[in-house]
Amino acid sequence: DAGVIQSPRHEVTEMGQEVTLRCKPISGHDYLFWYRQTMMRGLELLIYFNNNVPIDDSGMPEDRFSAKMPNASFSTLKIQPSEPRDSAVYFCASINTLRGSITDTQYFGPGTRLTVL
Amino acid sequence: KQEVTQIPAALSVPEGENLVLNCSFTDSAIYNLQWFRQDPGKGLTSLLLIQSSQREQTSGRLNASLDKSSGRSTLYIAASQPGDSATYLCAALGAGGTSYGKLTFGQGTILTVHP
Repeated sequence: DAGVIQSPRHEVTEMGQEVTLRCKPISGHDYLFWYRQTMMRGLELLIYFNNNVPIDDSGMPEDRFSAKMPNASFSTLKIQPSEPRDSAVYFCASINTLRGSITDTQYFGPGTRLTVL
Repeated sequence: KQEVTQIPAALSVPEGENLVLNCSFTDSAIYNLQWFRQDPGKGLTSLLLIQSSQREQTSGRLNASLDKSSGRSTLYIAASQPGDSATYLCAALGAGGTSYGKLTFGQGTILTVHP
């Protein structure tokens, strides 16, 4: 099992540019979570999906942020336009509740370190 | 809204010491309390998960306890080793209201174990 895969691992962009972060959950996992980690605010949940459907996006900070999950094996988090305060590490995590429940531990990807200049 | 606090923010100890990391949470409506390890530039690795009905969980040199009524959890690391150096995060999984199914994380404790 390759684990949760995120790309790119590092992204440097200029303010105003569109940024797209990608996540491939573990095969067979039916929940997918996007988190953001900063020094000031720690690790925060942005949005999560169940069976490709967004369930709770109350953590998405602004309309500049959007997330999609077109199929069970792929999700994107897009920031348009990006701002320096979006600089953070973005993590994706997944759970298989078909053999367990949402109370099981989440499997995290390695993260994407985003720097907006 | 659930708030999770970890004390201390950083800890530096010599190899071989036993140590305790503390975690407190404000809302007792939780499914479980989870402890993660984060190495620099890496994702989070689950260490221990304590269900709300449990008092403690053990894995090797790690022991985590949970007192839901007082909103506290501790992670005990026995005979610490340099390889234990990492950031340790606790997270509460919400069981009700707007926190349902969501992990709320503490800010973490940065642990350094020197030889």
